[in-house]
Amino acid sequence: KAGVTQTPRYLIKTRGQQVTLSCSPISGHRSVSWYQQTPGQGLQFLFEYFSETQRNKGNFPGRFSGRQFSNSRSEMNVSTLELGDSALYLCASSLWGGAETQYFGPGTRLLVL
Amino acid sequence: TQLLEQSPQFLSIQEGENLTVYCNSSSVFSSLQWYRQEPGEGPVLLVTVVTGGEVKKLKRLTFQFGDARKDSSLHITAAQTGDTGLYLCAGAGGTSYGKLTFGQGTILTVHP
Repeated sequence: KAGVTQTPRYLIKTRGQQVTLSCSPISGHRSVSWYQQTPGQGLQFLFEYFSETQRNKGNFPGRFSGRQFSNSRSEMNVSTLELGDSALYLCASSLWGGAETQYFGPGTRLLVL
Repeated sequence: TQLLEQSPQFLSIQEGENLTVYCNSSSVFSSLQWYRQEPGEGPVLLVTVVTGGEVKKLKRLTFQFGDARKDSSLHITAAQTGDTGLYLCAGAGGTSYGKLTFGQGTILTVHP
């Protein structure tokens, strides 16, 4: 089975711009979770989607949003980018989600200038 | 908010040495997972411990879940350069219902 794929792998944006990241889960997995990873804060949960519905949400501002499509693929959007949004954004999939084992993609490295 | 504290944050050792990484919380977790992340990659699951007092072995790696299910440890025997990476613990259950709570991670560097 192919693993979790994320595109793009690297992205450079400037403050105020918006960005959309994409994640394709492992075939058959219906849950997709997004995490932000930074050296200072570690791995922080953004949100989880299951069957096209947001099922859980972390403590991030409304500038961070996401959606899931009927084929379980997911996108994450960040509007009005700030310097502090520079991070590695990881997508993880699992069969049923929640606290199950997460299968992570390689991440998208976002740099905001 | 449930917190998981990992220690140490950084560990730099020589090949062949033993080491232990700790993951502690004041909260009870229903299970605890350990992941390893290499540069440029996402975390990969090593093991899940579920029962208080449980010990699991994966070759040279030994994982233990505390009796009260509030803490866990990862012990590596005779470390190899291939063990280099970021080790993360993640707790499930309790007030973190429906999602995993990750520790800050331990960066391990094993020198030849």
